[in-house]
Amino acid sequence: DARVTQTPRHKVTEMGQEVTMRCQPILGHNTVFWYRQTMMQGLELLAYFRNRAPLDDSGMPKDRFSAEMPDATLATLKIQPSEPRDSAVYFCASGLSTQGSGANVLTFGAGSRLTVL
Amino acid sequence: GNSVTQMEGPVTLSEEAFLTINCTYTATGYPSLFWYVQYPGEGLQLLLKATKADDKGSNKGFEATYRKETTSFHLEKGSVQVSDSAVYFCALSDRTGYNKLIFGAGTRLAVHP
Repeated sequence: DARVTQTPRHKVTEMGQEVTMRCQPILGHNTVFWYRQTMMQGLELLAYFRNRAPLDDSGMPKDRFSAEMPDATLATLKIQPSEPRDSAVYFCASGLSTQGSGANVLTFGAGSRLTVL
Repeated sequence: GNSVTQMEGPVTLSEEAFLTINCTYTATGYPSLFWYVQYPGEGLQLLLKATKADDKGSNKGFEATYRKETTSFHLEKGSVQVSDSAVYFCALSDRTGYNKLIFGAGTRLAVHP
């Protein structure tokens, strides 16, 4: 089965350090999403891309977070500087989508668990 | 804006019991509705979906019917197993957002032998 690959699976870092999470979407998918999962907030949408172009990053704290797709096989989510409140599991998901069709399925990666001390 | 509300957990059941997890939504237009499941230490995976009113999604013994009149998409299973223990997320996707999924808070299910 095709899968979305995320690295690292686990990351422990100290406050103030830069963190970069990577995602390899499924080949042929044209949308990529970043979600953050915490006990308190549940699943929050941070950003998403279609055909590598950012469509919406309104859910992301702009001062420290950035999301990019340097090419079709790689999406990155960067936090600089990191803070303890960024501790969460970050999920990447990809899908094949056309506008007006909300039925297409997203495939999620296994997540990157970030702990900021 | 669009939103999803699902019943709070945890839901604790004995094996072979009947399961219902309630989900209601608020959305403009006609969203597609989904249930995703998350097993411990894993990402979310699609359990079932429905794309229009009165559609029934089903998979692995789970079912949910898209009820437009009550804006609901309740998840049911007639006889749960220990292996069904997981967190279940109801979600919607509108037709303008390129598959952007809006999730409920999740409901943890624990099934005991």
